[in-house]
Amino acid sequence: ETGVTQSPTHLIKTRGQQVTLRCSSQSGHNTVSWYQQALGQGPQFIFQYYREEENGRGNFPPRFSGLQFPNYSSELNVNALELDDSALYLCASSLRTSGGGYEQYFGPGTRLTVT
Amino acid sequence: DQQVKQNSPSLSVQEGRISILNCDYTNSMFDYFLWYKKYPAEGPTFLISISSIKDKNEDGRFTVFLNKSAKHLSLHIVPSQPGDSAVYFCAASPLQGAQKLVFGQGTRLTINP
Repeated sequence: ETGVTQSPTHLIKTRGQQVTLRCSSQSGHNTVSWYQQALGQGPQFIFQYYREEENGRGNFPPRFSGLQFPNYSSELNVNALELDDSALYLCASSLRTSGGGYEQYFGPGTRLTVT
Repeated sequence: DQQVKQNSPSLSVQEGRISILNCDYTNSMFDYFLWYKKYPAEGPTFLISISSIKDKNEDGRFTVFLNKSAKHLSLHIVPSQPGDSAVYFCAASPLQGAQKLVFGQGTRLTINP
């Protein structure tokens, strides 16, 4: 039990639609990262938010966007869904400190299916 | 361009024996390495990590070894237990604290009684 929750658990969308996935981080964690895990692959970094600002982005198009809120919750938004967006979406929260060293706590993920 | 590779998709080990999971990386800028364990329907759980200034880190039954010259790390589990059956991911970061993790494809470990 990591204290990180995600909703919904499963979601089915149609190609071209938009989707919002939600994450609630551990209390006090100021950093949230989002990952996409395709079937049979490891998680791929989408982006990271630190103190409500985007702080690094992986190789994903602009139709993937995010928000982080002061209450330790965050959102991943995907516009114009494509079939290849079908995957498990994971969020991970961590506490960023000046001394370095960290541990990312992952939520259980949201399984998105695009038809 | 797969910067972190786990070349064994699966591994089967007898209970009580040693499990060795391997991981190779290509990016010389990686300096922090982690192992995660994942059960079905759960997110990855942090297991153990190692900084590039070390070559070994031990935590109970789990030991991670890092060979920087070979760009190779391994996770040793001894003795292996049935509850260790899971998918194991190695991950790397270019800067400790940067927190952008690059994951391998995972190795499914099965511990047989």
